[in-house]
Amino acid sequence: GQQVQQSPASLVLQEGENAELQCNFSTSLNSMQWFYQRPEGSLVSLFYNPSGTKQSGRLTSTTVIKERRSSLHISSSQITDSGTYLCAMEQTGFASALTFGSGTKVIVLP
Amino acid sequence: NSKVIQTPRYLVKGQGQKAKMRCIPEKGHPVVFWYQQNKNNEFKFLINFQNQEVLQQIDMTEKRFSAECPSNSPCSLEIQSSEAGDSALYLCASTGTRYEQYFGPGTRLTVL
Repeated sequence: GQQVQQSPASLVLQEGENAELQCNFSTSLNSMQWFYQRPEGSLVSLFYNPSGTKQSGRLTSTTVIKERRSSLHISSSQITDSGTYLCAMEQTGFASALTFGSGTKVIVLP
Repeated sequence: NSKVIQTPRYLVKGQGQKAKMRCIPEKGHPVVFWYQQNKNNEFKFLINFQNQEVLQQIDMTEKRFSAECPSNSPCSLEIQSSEAGDSALYLCASTGTRYEQYFGPGTRLTVL
């Protein structure tokens, strides 16, 4: 079965609203990485987060290993936040492949 | 953000043709990964290298794909005989001591 479940699949926000994206994983985890995928396909790394909370500007990532979940919080959304957000789990450490979630497509309306 | 370079950005091939794409990892990153993102946006790990040695690869990669990461040259991924189902975005990533993976812009392959 799928090891990483990402939700919601899509999200429409009014500019200024907050949003929370979730990933739940069914197996043991070494770390979680969050990405933003640009429309042309390139992946921008937002967070590498083995555990705890990290913040960068309006984005906050929280990983709770014991609860097998990781979240990405977007505060005061802007139109430029529109795009696809992906979580990816790393199971075994250095040089291990990432297992990606299915993505959340975010649309921010003016 | 990322300094991983991938070329070409777009590649169009006919069925049965070879398709080759290249990747230059970030300087100082000894591990290189190749992933495929299909038209359903699903990611599949293909192969990874540490320095010039293959660490892991999936069955599909063993049979129809060839990949290498020679010293002082770009890494490459080549599909020996392209099939329609190979149409996808191919992403290269590299990692250093911090484990975080940095991705290149991808090569979008279309097999006609």
